[in-house]
Amino acid sequence: DTGVSQNPRHKITKRGQNVTFRCDPISEHNRLYWYRQTLGQGPEFLTYFQNEAQLEKSRLLSDRFSAERPKGSFSTLEIQRTEQGDSAMYLCASSAPPWIATNEKLFFGSGTQLSVL
Amino acid sequence: GQQVMQIPQYQHVQEGEDFTTYCNSSTTLSNIQWYKQRPGGHPVFLIQLVKSGEVKKQKRLTFQFGEAKKNSSLHITATQTTDVGTYFCAGSRTSGTYKYIFGTGTRLKVLA
Repeated sequence: DTGVSQNPRHKITKRGQNVTFRCDPISEHNRLYWYRQTLGQGPEFLTYFQNEAQLEKSRLLSDRFSAERPKGSFSTLEIQRTEQGDSAMYLCASSAPPWIATNEKLFFGSGTQLSVL
Repeated sequence: GQQVMQIPQYQHVQEGEDFTTYCNSSTTLSNIQWYKQRPGGHPVFLIQLVKSGEVKKQKRLTFQFGEAKKNSSLHITATQTTDVGTYFCAGSRTSGTYKYIFGTGTRLKVLA
């Protein structure tokens, strides 16, 4: 179990630029989640995938955000035309299918800290 | 939309004192999970509760799921400095959807 891996760990960008983050889930985990967390707040749900299918996307998410999981393994989260309000920790999590795990435990990565200047 | 609130927002206790955080959902939940996040860390899974009225214990931690499946609590007996962190509940509204909404969290500080 190598854990959920996220890259980069930190990203500093200028307002208006596009950024892309990558998440490698634990192998054999079929569900992958993206959350956003700001200081002092709980993780805010953004979207989740089951295999390569994006099953739900938060209505709070603007069209500037897009996520993909093309082969059902790693995932990318892209933010276009970044704004200062996008500054946050972006967390990825994965969970195992029911034939492997008895619960729906989310395993989180260490996150990507985005700072938009 | 679904909202999950936790109280208190902050709690400072002396080492050895008990601690309880409460989680309340605006909608009935299929199941509820609890996570702990240490300062500078990421959330780490503690437990999942599924049944109405369920109670589970992990050493000094006791977790409870309400009869109406809209609230939950986490109680820590005799806190230790290693208990420091923020405790989040996370609820799934519908069985099989796997969308977890996190609560606002309770930040615990333990004074030695």
